[in-house]
Amino acid sequence: GQQLNQSPQSMFIQEGEDVSMNCTSSSIFNTWLWYKQDPGEGPVLLIALYKAGELTSNGRLTAQFGITRKDSFLNISASIPSDVGIYFCAGQLGSNYQLIWGAGTKLIIKP
Amino acid sequence: DGGITQSPKYLFRKEGQNVTLSCEQNLNHDAMYWYRQDPGQGLRLIYYSQIVNDFQKGDIAEGYSVSREKKESFPLTVTSAQKNPTAFYLCASSVSGTESEKLFFGSGTQLSVL
Repeated sequence: GQQLNQSPQSMFIQEGEDVSMNCTSSSIFNTWLWYKQDPGEGPVLLIALYKAGELTSNGRLTAQFGITRKDSFLNISASIPSDVGIYFCAGQLGSNYQLIWGAGTKLIIKP
Repeated sequence: DGGITQSPKYLFRKEGQNVTLSCEQNLNHDAMYWYRQDPGQGLRLIYYSQIVNDFQKGDIAEGYSVSREKKESFPLTVTSAQKNPTAFYLCASSVSGTESEKLFFGSGTQLSVL
């Protein structure tokens, strides 16, 4: 099936650093979403984006819906230990379509 | 509190055995989903149901079966035909139509083969 290319696969960062990750696709999406998964748990929705160029924040997290509608970006400012986990992007072609998922970006904070 | 409950958290399967994973939600959501998660991979859709007594195959339905007899419940059976069942299984639910992209997930079941 279709896939999203999510990068990087993993990130080792120091506490307090800013983090950036992105997702790209060969398809145009109507909706982009970012979820976070804590170890041993299910993903939780962080941000949903519905319009090309849209920039939405949720606390220290900011996500953007790319202008071409084929990509999306997530930034985390001033990372803290509880930010560790796997961040997934997901795209949706339309309201009755199933989500297409990226492989995830694993965030690890160096002690 | 509303949410999705998956049980058990850990499950072991012997060769040739069928096992059933439970998923219950009290969010009054019409749609429910089963995903499989393997390390380093995205979520892959096994089955989904948009209404009671109806369900559709996802991308990797072979070796799995589901039922949707009640709105609240969507159990997944991993049959002996599934030759590589070791994975983390996630159940999710959502409203139908607008905002159907906002999935609410359970805590998952880790299935391992003995």
